[in-house]
Amino acid sequence: DVKVTQSSRYLVKRTGEKVFLECVQDMDHENMFWYRQDPGLGLRLIYFSYDVKMKEKGDIPEGYSVSREKKERFSLILESASTNQTSMYLCASSSGNTDTQYFGPGTRLTVL
Amino acid sequence: GQNIDQPTEMTATEGAIVQINCTYQTSGFNGLFWYQQHAGEAPTFLSYNVLDGLEEKGRFSSFLSRSKGYSYLLLKELQMKDSASYLCAVHPPYGQNFVFGPGTRLSVLP
Repeated sequence: DVKVTQSSRYLVKRTGEKVFLECVQDMDHENMFWYRQDPGLGLRLIYFSYDVKMKEKGDIPEGYSVSREKKERFSLILESASTNQTSMYLCASSSGNTDTQYFGPGTRLTVL
Repeated sequence: GQNIDQPTEMTATEGAIVQINCTYQTSGFNGLFWYQQHAGEAPTFLSYNVLDGLEEKGRFSSFLSRSKGYSYLLLKELQMKDSASYLCAVHPPYGQNFVFGPGTRLSVLP
């Protein structure tokens, strides 16, 4: 079974703090994704990566950056957290062959 | 661009059958996925359609009509544990990313 893990289930931060969200997958998947999910808006893609050290902007990259130094790990960084970044953050991975995305459990981030 | 529509909420009775529709408008198409998401949890993969027709997997079936830009997820013999949101996602042409619909929240009542 594919396993995607995220570093925290719940996180509370203050405005202006730097926030790191970590995601690790154990299936040697090439592709990794970061989404945020908000009520009524569905899943929106923030950033994705098709290979180590590669990153591509998704639909809503503003205020975020990412890092992929190892194939299994994809980090999402909020350089200076703001209240409008309060959301559920979901990491996903997929292999290049099947395209099916497998999701981690999510991190519910609250920025006060 | 891509646009995906699903009903916001649906209610059905335990043991019944429910059909959740998804319509999409895309500039290209490489497949359609259905995911189930229980409250507070991650989406889990249910089904994948790339050709027209019905794909059956136990109590769940998914149908696709590419010419109509239409899919549905059919859930039979509903159980209380089927109460969840159901997300439709379109895979556009190669090199572009998934587009997720807003999800349909299904409530199964006793």
